[in-house]
Formats: sequence, structure tokens, C-alpha cells
Amino acid sequence: GAGVSQSPSNKVTEKGKDVELRCDPISGHTALYWYRQSLGQGLEFLIYFQGNSAPDKSGLPSDRFSAERTGGSVSTLTIQRTQQEDSAVYLCASSLILAGGLMAFGETQYFGPGTRLLVL
Amino acid sequence: SQQGEEDPQALSIQEGENATMNCSYKTSINNLQWYRQNSGRGLVHLILIRSNEREKHSGRLRVTLDTSKKSSSLLITASRAADTASYFCATSWQGAQKLVFGQGTRLTINP
Repeated sequence: GAGVSQSPSNKVTEKGKDVELRCDPISGHTALYWYRQSLGQGLEFLIYFQGNSAPDKSGLPSDRFSAERTGGSVSTLTIQRTQQEDSAVYLCASSLILAGGLMAFGETQYFGPGTRLLVL
Repeated sequence: SQQGEEDPQALSIQEGENATMNCSYKTSINNLQWYRQNSGRGLVHLILIRSNEREKHSGRLRVTLDTSKKSSSLLITASRAADTASYFCATSWQGAQKLVFGQGTRLTINP
């Protein structure tokens, strides 16, 4: 079956512009995550969606960052007024969360290929 | 913080040798996972070990977990050039769904 897909693969924008990054999770996966990875660094958690629950936004670095997930499937990460320090690879992942929110069988996260964002 | 830290940051070995990477973390965990990343793009899940497990195997991979030392190791036996990648450990703890990733170990297998 299809894995997690992200678009665009690469995005070059000018400082101050807004960008939207898209993530299509694996069909049936209830949880969706966004991470950011700067060059040569580990992954930085941004936001997490699970079903109809309120998202965990604790990792968003500033109010210029927002994300939504429509219909429990596709998610869009929006960065407003981009800054050069926003340049990074933005990775999306999905996983299957069982009833009750217990990550028993489905703790593995499946990652998309990422969107490489460059802010000039 | 919960963040795992991998050691070493970089490792270069000859093809056929074994590669060992270590991960340390700070608080009690629910499980620990290892991921591989090629060329700075998407991560691929390798193996998951739960807090009540001490060792797991998957093909040429062997993972150990020592909860008393809050550490894990990933052993890749009989390394191949295709194993060249960055390897990350990630931890989760009870009540939290997100994973916390370490900074990774960059592994290079020389032919």
C-alpha cells in the first residue's frame, strides 16, 4: 500500500513569504506528526494530531507556525512570514493508535520523504 | 529533557565489520525505537524494544536495552555498504504519544 507522502519535495521561498506544506498519511492511521530537522541535526517535534482530540502543539517554535488536519486525514503545516532560520527538512509521520489511545501494536511511526524548505 | 543521545556521533568501519551505536536517555521510557535515515530524507523504522525487554533481534540487527543504565545499543553485524546512513534512537514514555529523537550517529561503511 501507499506510504506517507509529502508535497512539495522542495520549496524555495523568500523571507517574509508564507508557505504551506502538505502531508498525506497512510490510510487508516489515526495519528499524524510533524517534525523539523535542521542540517545534520536530529528531529525536532512540532505537533501531533490524534483522531478528534485537540492536537499537541507543544513543539511549535513560534506563533508563525500552525497546522491543521482536515477530515482526520490530510494535514497542512503553514509557516507565516518565513525566516531564514526556518530552513530545514520538514518531516511528517503517521501511526496507528488503538482504542483508548494506547500505543500497543502501532507504536511505529511511518515517515514521509520530507519537504526541504529553503528560505532565502 | 527526555532526549536520547547517540554515541558516537560518527562511525566509519570497513565492510564486513560489526557496527555498534549507543543511545542514552534520561527518564523512564515506555519503549525505545531505532530508525535509519538515508540522505537526510525520510526515516525508516528498524526495531522497537519495550521497557520490559532486554534484547531483540531482526536480521543483522541486535538491540539491547538496559533500563537501569538508561541506555540502549544497536549492533549491525556483517556490515554492508548499503548500511551507510544516519541512525537515530527515539524514546516514548507513558502518557505521551510523541517520540523524542536523539541527534543520530552517522555510519559510513567503507568498501
